[in-house]
Amino acid sequence: ETGVTQTPRHLVMGMTNKKSLKCEQHLGHNAMYWYKQSAKKPLELMFVYSLEERVENNSVPSRFSPECPNSSHLFLHLHTLQPEDSALYLCASSRDRDFNYGYTFGSGTRLTVV
Amino acid sequence: EDKVVQSPLSLVVHEGDTVTLNCSYEVTNFRSLLWYKQEKKAPTFLFMLTSSGIEKKSGRLSSILDKKELSSILNITATQTGDSAIYLCAVVGGSSGNTGKLIFGQGTTLQVKP
Repeated sequence: ETGVTQTPRHLVMGMTNKKSLKCEQHLGHNAMYWYKQSAKKPLELMFVYSLEERVENNSVPSRFSPECPNSSHLFLHLHTLQPEDSALYLCASSRDRDFNYGYTFGSGTRLTVV
Repeated sequence: EDKVVQSPLSLVVHEGDTVTLNCSYEVTNFRSLLWYKQEKKAPTFLFMLTSSGIEKKSGRLSSILDKKELSSILNITATQTGDSAIYLCAVVGGSSGNTGKLIFGQGTTLQVKP
């Protein structure tokens, strides 16, 4: 385990469902991130939270809704997704947004939208 | 637009071979370049490079940055089947000030055959 825990590991959902992805870190990091990883494409940054405040939202459709209730937890709420949203969703954390210490990634949630 | 390009996209070698993976970038406000190894799901940190020409080594892996050529290489000597993974290159840059953005390449998929 890397210190960043994501649940569930796998998720299959219909296009009309509502589900949530959870990320938890107890590394004392202040910044947390959601990334989308699709086959043959670079990791795409979705959201950045620093000290529980959303500081970046990279033109992500509103069917993805992040929530950061405290510095240790990050959620990604999903509703009315499309099949092209099927991907590996990775959470990461870092000590700060200065990147001096790199990222720690979770193992991801493999999402399949049917 | 900031971009990071890795080559080759995939590579198949036999145990004992030496491989060289390439990463080139066009990123504003470059600050550092990172290499990650992704085996099952969670990318794990390998190297962070900030200075040109200084080789970083960890066992059979080494990496060097060339800021003049806007590129980096990752070398793996005496490859083993456990080196099979996706190798991700990421560059910190893209904005000014104290914070930056991590821009990923598509990854190189390495398969080491016994």
